[in-house]
Amino acid sequence: QKEVEQDPGPLSVPEGAIVSLNCTYSNSAFQYFMWYRQYSRKGPELLMYTYSSGNKEDGRFTAQVDKSSKYISLFIRDSQPSDSATYLCAMSRGGSYIPTFGRGTSLIVHP
Amino acid sequence: KAGVTQTPRYLIKTRGQQVTLSCSPISGHRSVSWYQQTPGQGLQFLFEYFSETQRNKGNFPGRFSGRQFSNSRSEMNVSTLELGDSALYLCASSLTTGDTEAFFGQGTRLTVV
Repeated sequence: QKEVEQDPGPLSVPEGAIVSLNCTYSNSAFQYFMWYRQYSRKGPELLMYTYSSGNKEDGRFTAQVDKSSKYISLFIRDSQPSDSATYLCAMSRGGSYIPTFGRGTSLIVHP
Repeated sequence: KAGVTQTPRYLIKTRGQQVTLSCSPISGHRSVSWYQQTPGQGLQFLFEYFSETQRNKGNFPGRFSGRQFSNSRSEMNVSTLELGDSALYLCASSLTTGDTEAFFGQGTRLTVV
């Protein structure tokens, strides 16, 4: 079992839909949780990061962490075709520890 | 502010050869991490350099090595290339070691034939 599990998709939704992207993890020492967006032929771009449990909102994006269930989510409201990309979750113990990445979920938002 | 620059963008090499990839981090960033990305394995950590010292190392064979210069620029080298080394190699820079805010370059697409 990998430390971080993420459904590769693809997840296909119509424009305007609310998208839910999720990751589960097994290492209870993870304290920092990140979401990256990667467009085709580009490097990952950091979208948001949260510390410990709770919610964090940034525009149309909301990150949610449930440490008791070892489950994190990224919600995208009013999804747009430009949101079509691969979304990677990443987690870290903090300090000098290197983040562990999920394999990414491919999202397709069709007009 | 310039982003992370990786060169070259694309590379084709023959099995058995060696290759050197370059990464220039964001100005002021002193930590550089290298990752290998493949469809099968996803993003896998190779190593991290901070202040010209390797601080962390992933689970890759010794054929993969790197270094960092005093201006924080970094290079990674892969010797005796194998077909399985074909991947997107990504460099990420951050202000300091272990920083959660890491900024990635566009990567070097290496194809081994």
